[in-house]
Amino acid sequence: DAGVIQSPRHEVTEMGQEVTLRCKPISGHNSLFWYRQTMMRGLELLIYFNNNVPIDDSGMPEDRFSAKMPNASFSTLKIQPSEPRDSAVYFCASSAGTSGQETQYFGPGTRLLVL
Amino acid sequence: EDQVTQSPEALRLQEGESSSLNCSYTVSGLRGLFWYRQDPGKGPEFLFTLYSAGEEKEKERLKATLTKKESFLHITAPKPEDSATYLCAVRGGGSNYKLTFGKGTLLTVNP
Repeated sequence: DAGVIQSPRHEVTEMGQEVTLRCKPISGHNSLFWYRQTMMRGLELLIYFNNNVPIDDSGMPEDRFSAKMPNASFSTLKIQPSEPRDSAVYFCASSAGTSGQETQYFGPGTRLLVL
Repeated sequence: EDQVTQSPEALRLQEGESSSLNCSYTVSGLRGLFWYRQDPGKGPEFLFTLYSAGEEKEKERLKATLTKKESFLHITAPKPEDSATYLCAVRGGGSNYKLTFGKGTLLTVNP
């Protein structure tokens, strides 16, 4: 079975440019999460979707960050304009159900470097 | 606010030298404690979920245990391929989705 798919795997861009990260969750999963991982702060939840609807975006650092989930099999995280401090690894994860005991399954991540 | 502290930050073992990793947590109403393994350049890979104190789960050379304040990941006779960062996360009663992660323990097993 295919796991969570993310693209691109690596992205190098210049400050001020728009960056779009993409995620395809595991088929049948109704919850999708975007995380950011840095050495200083570890893994942090940015935004959570349930049934394609954003439920919690309190972790989105600034208005420069936005996320969408137009359908059950696709989500994007956009940074516009990008800044060097946005450099990090961004992970997408998905899970099935909402009982509170579900396991989140992570994708391989997108390593972003903003110069 | 849920909190997770993992120790040690890094651990170096010889092949076959058993040891334990610690995950201390503070949470209001534990819904689940999760262990993940993360290899360099990859996403976290799910290992175990523990739900209540006294629960134990095993997978190959790994055994996870849970008390009301901490969890241990015991590694018996480790092999070099067990080298990875091990992450602990908790989901508290205040949320049915949010995971709070620790910073992880970087385990290196030398042949």
